[in-house]
Amino acid sequence: AQSVTQPDIHITVSEGASLELRCNYSYGATPYLFWYVQSPGQGLQLLLKYFSGDTLVQGIKGFEAEFKRSQSSFNLRKPSVHWSDAAEYFCAVGVFTSGTYKYIFGTGTRLKVLA
Amino acid sequence: DAGITQSPRYKITETGRQVTLMCHQTWSHSYMFWYRQDLGHGLRLIYYSAAADITDKGEVPDGYVVSRSKTENFPLTLESATRSQTSVYFCASSAGDRDNYGYTFGSGTRLTVV
Repeated sequence: AQSVTQPDIHITVSEGASLELRCNYSYGATPYLFWYVQSPGQGLQLLLKYFSGDTLVQGIKGFEAEFKRSQSSFNLRKPSVHWSDAAEYFCAVGVFTSGTYKYIFGTGTRLKVLA
Repeated sequence: DAGITQSPRYKITETGRQVTLMCHQTWSHSYMFWYRQDLGHGLRLIYYSAAADITDKGEVPDGYVVSRSKTENFPLTLESATRSQTSVYFCASSAGDRDNYGYTFGSGTRLTVV
């Protein structure tokens, strides 16, 4: 069965430090992979997506993610975190089942940024 | 305004009442989805629709009903609300074609069942 695992429920980093949020997926075919960010009380905003090609993808707000097929991972990174990055981050895989395309989400990682 | 809008933003209802959450999108996206977001569970798919008059169950459909008579609208109805349905509900849409597999989400409806 398809699934997405975000092993870190909470992460705390200091402002200016680097960040890596982990995401592992389980899917038999080549996945479509996404990272979304949700600020408190808000909807989800797309940070970046991977469909094919270059395994390092750039997104908005200075985020990037690397697809590693051998590890079934799609980790999100940022070299220098800003206080405004405090939010919840969701990894998702797009799958085709029964002729329909839909997402499976991880349970999220809540990021706290220390001043 | 173009986009995807959900209404109401907040709703308190009593156990046993019927309540409908509205979702409207202006892009004519084929695909629309309803998710619920609960602490520790992330987002779970309730129902989805690939086109007008085509709907299907997701991961947690029990207690919910959907319809899609028009492409732009995808209402979600709780036929007899229960406390376990207290949650934040997100609607999303997607064009579903190769270059547009990303979802666009609404701002959510926070539903409290008392």
